[in-house]
Amino acid sequence: QLQLQESGPGLVKPSETLSLTCTVSGGSIGSIGYYWGWIRQPPGKGLEWIGSVYYSGSTYYNPSLKSRVTVSVDTSKNQFSLKLSSVTAADTAVYYCARIMITIFGTEARGMDVWGQGTTVTVSS
Amino acid sequence: QSALTQPPSASGSPGQSVTISCTGTSSDVGGYNYVSWYQQHPGKAPKLMIYEVNKRPSGVPDRFSGSKSGNTASLTVSGLQAEDEADYYCSSYAGSNNFVVFGGGTKLTVL
Repeated sequence: QLQLQESGPGLVKPSETLSLTCTVSGGSIGSIGYYWGWIRQPPGKGLEWIGSVYYSGSTYYNPSLKSRVTVSVDTSKNQFSLKLSSVTAADTAVYYCARIMITIFGTEARGMDVWGQGTTVTVSS
Repeated sequence: QSALTQPPSASGSPGQSVTISCTGTSSDVGGYNYVSWYQQHPGKAPKLMIYEVNKRPSGVPDRFSGSKSGNTASLTVSGLQAEDEADYYCSSYAGSNNFVVFGGGTKLTVL
């Protein structure tokens, strides 16, 4: 059974870079037909997609965060990562990683079928 | 402000049916049959309930169904049960520039 687990610092200082890793177990991050993504949820608010990566390294980013976001993949470790630079208090949220089903011959996102448990990141000095 | 519009709340009594709407544009909901719905209980990760407008993952009760008309998608929960009380989020593929967009979420209360 595929499982995802987020890891990384729970506290980040303003203006610094938030770094998180998602470890995939029970399956291969190189499986065809899936992107791997990051989604966040500020306290008491809704879900926001941040960015996604394919095993080949191809990425998509939320246009509103694109200038600060990097999502990368390490197939040798079965992991993918998120870096969000120049953070502010507005970046305080629960960060989830998820597997995104895509169409075989295209890259349309069909739905997110496996989620990590989430990790809370607070931006504060 | 979320890309997709959902009502902030919905409610129904046990056994009843409730429908939650999700309105987008021709660039997302209306342009693709890739609408998905997620259930989130407090303190938990979201769970996929519906994908590709009306498909249910294995293990999701058939009380949950999805549909779409134009730029609006809907999630219907029939035979409401106490455990259905949760937040529900819709999402849609939105093309190569935006990839994925979410709705603001709907809190479903079982009276």
